Amino acid sequence: AQKITQTQPGMFVQEKEAVTLDCTYDTSDQSYGLFWYKQPSSGEMIFLIYQGSYDEQNATEGRYSLNFQKARKSANLVISASQLGDSAMYFCAMREGHIRGFKTIFGAGTRLFVKA
Amino acid sequence: IAGITQAPTSQILAAGRRMTLRCTQDMRHNAMYWYRQDLGLGLRLIHYSNTAGTTGKGEVPDGYSVSRANTDDFPLTLASAVPSQTSVYFCASSESRGGGAEQFFGPGTRLTVL
Repeated sequence: AQKITQTQPGMFVQEKEAVTLDCTYDTSDQSYGLFWYKQPSSGEMIFLIYQGSYDEQNATEGRYSLNFQKARKSANLVISASQLGDSAMYFCAMREGHIRGFKTIFGAGTRLFVKA
Repeated sequence: IAGITQAPTSQILAAGRRMTLRCTQDMRHNAMYWYRQDLGLGLRLIHYSNTAGTTGKGEVPDGYSVSRANTDDFPLTLASAVPSQTSVYFCASSESRGGGAEQFFGPGTRLTVL
């Protein structure tokens, strides 16, 4: 069954340091997409980064990179040079292919606290 | 361009009442989704629609119904609200192609059922 697991309810990181947020997934599909979203205290959902299951290189978007390990079914988010504005909830999500109807499910989230 | 709008912003509802949450997008996206967000549980998919005229059940569909009469609108109806449906509800849309079609989210509706 389709499933996303984020095992870290909360994480602390010192400003300017890097942090890794864990995400593992389970799917029987060969074609799927993995996403990370940020939800600040204001409540909106902000798209950060995407990784396709057939992409051979890890996705990067500015200070965000996705450490994709397909055999382990993990898609960890790495934030480099943390900033105070990075304090937020972070959600990992997976979208399966057209056979599954493009359903997208989310993990329970990780709350990141960036310390000055 | 507004993106995705949801109405109402918040609502307090008596148990047993019927309620429809509205969602409208102006991006001509084929796919639309409804999620509920509860503390510690993240976002859980209620229903989704890949294109106008079709809908599908998500992870937690019981007690909810949807319709997709056109591309832009995707209302969510609670036929007889119960306190366990107290939550923040997010509507989202995306292109329905496979791969990296990110979802765009509405601002959410905070629903309290008493």
